[in-house]
Amino acid sequence: DAGVIQSPRHEVTEMGQEVTLRCKPISGHDYLFWYRQTMMRGLELLIYFNNNVPIDDSGMPEDRFSAKMPNASFSTLKIQPSEPRDSAVYFCASTDRGGQRSTDTQYFGPGTRLTVL
Amino acid sequence: DQQVKQNSPSLSVQEGRISILNCDYTNSMFDYFLWYKKYPAEGPTFLISISSIKDKNEDGRFTVFLNKSAKHLSLHIVPSQPGDSAVYFCAASVDAGGTSYGKLTFGQGTILTVHP
Repeated sequence: DAGVIQSPRHEVTEMGQEVTLRCKPISGHDYLFWYRQTMMRGLELLIYFNNNVPIDDSGMPEDRFSAKMPNASFSTLKIQPSEPRDSAVYFCASTDRGGQRSTDTQYFGPGTRLTVL
Repeated sequence: DQQVKQNSPSLSVQEGRISILNCDYTNSMFDYFLWYKKYPAEGPTFLISISSIKDKNEDGRFTVFLNKSAKHLSLHIVPSQPGDSAVYFCAASVDAGGTSYGKLTFGQGTILTVHP
């Protein structure tokens, strides 16, 4: 399996522009997560989906952020308009709950490093 | 508010010695704890976990200890190797029951450097 795939790996944009980050989860996984990593707060959960349905978006910082999962193999995280404080590494992760606690481990993609100038 | 805290941003250790990474949590409902390791330009990968019904879990050179009364867990790496140099994140979750998912709350991470 190729693992979780994210694109682009790096994104540099100017303040006010729209940014779209993409994620392909591991085939068969029914949970998908979007995280943001910063030095101060570490890994923050932004939103997660189960079977393509958003379950918890309480970590989405503001209305400028939105996420979709149109099918089991694709998800997007959009920032519109982007601001310099959005600069961070954004990770996508997936897992298969399976009813067992031992499967709480998540599989992360390589991340997208976003720089907003 | 940070429910999971790693108060040491970095740790430097000599090869062959023990590395001890610490993590504190505030939510007494957390009942499952994990450690992830992250290399530069890669995503975090799962390392080891422990349930709240245990106080120790061992996997090769890696041992996690849980002190529920102190709301504290630690990761011991013995012996440390240069390849262990990475960022280590601790994470915690609450059992959501059944097949529901208890989302993970991560700490800020600790950068471990193991010197040859």
